[in-house]
Amino acid sequence: QQQVKQSPQSLIVQKGGISIINCAYENTAFDYFPWYQQFPGKGPALLIAIRPDVSEKKEGRFTISFNKSAKQFSLHIMDSQPGDSATYFCAATVIKAAGNKLTFGGGTRVLVKP
Amino acid sequence: KAGVTQTPRYLIKTRGQQVTLSCSPISGHRSVSWYQQTPGQGLQFLFEYFSETQRNKGNFPGRFSGRQFSNSRSEMNVSTLELGDSALYLCASSSGVEEQYFGPGTRLTVT
Repeated sequence: QQQVKQSPQSLIVQKGGISIINCAYENTAFDYFPWYQQFPGKGPALLIAIRPDVSEKKEGRFTISFNKSAKQFSLHIMDSQPGDSATYFCAATVIKAAGNKLTFGGGTRVLVKP
Repeated sequence: KAGVTQTPRYLIKTRGQQVTLSCSPISGHRSVSWYQQTPGQGLQFLFEYFSETQRNKGNFPGRFSGRQFSNSRSEMNVSTLELGDSALYLCASSSGVEEQYFGPGTRLTVT
């Protein structure tokens, strides 16, 4: 059962453009939603995260938008740069439950063309 | 602080063998989680250890096991390897229940 659905699977954006990645979840108990960035040959790196009591969070060029009623959240990469070319994963977890268990989306491969 | 380290980085094993992977968490982190990453199934949670106790477990067969030592270092073991076990195995450490930091992974190839 895929509890977090991520789209698109891949996207190509011109340098300076906006990359938008969407995720939808099913489990209403999820209460922490991180995004990870992964380069080839590396492990995922935590990029930005949001709790459901906030509708938007911005860190530099990266913004998470969260819609609790629609059970959707998205990552916006503003002014995309070639160095942003990577695979991005959304994830979700229930932090009130004991322990760490991230449920990941399928990933989005982003290519930023110079 | 040094990041999460995993050894070995690459491993080639034969079907039927067993393998042990090691993970050293960030200093001070007591939670260590393991994930399997494959092109077909994506990132899947294996299990999590906290203070030497398994606190969470994913939906993997009993061939996959792990343990954690008193210094928070963790090992995972896969017995009777199958071709489908070929994957990138990732370890993540955390000081709490939110931010998890991943290591570079161990690339396991089963032939």
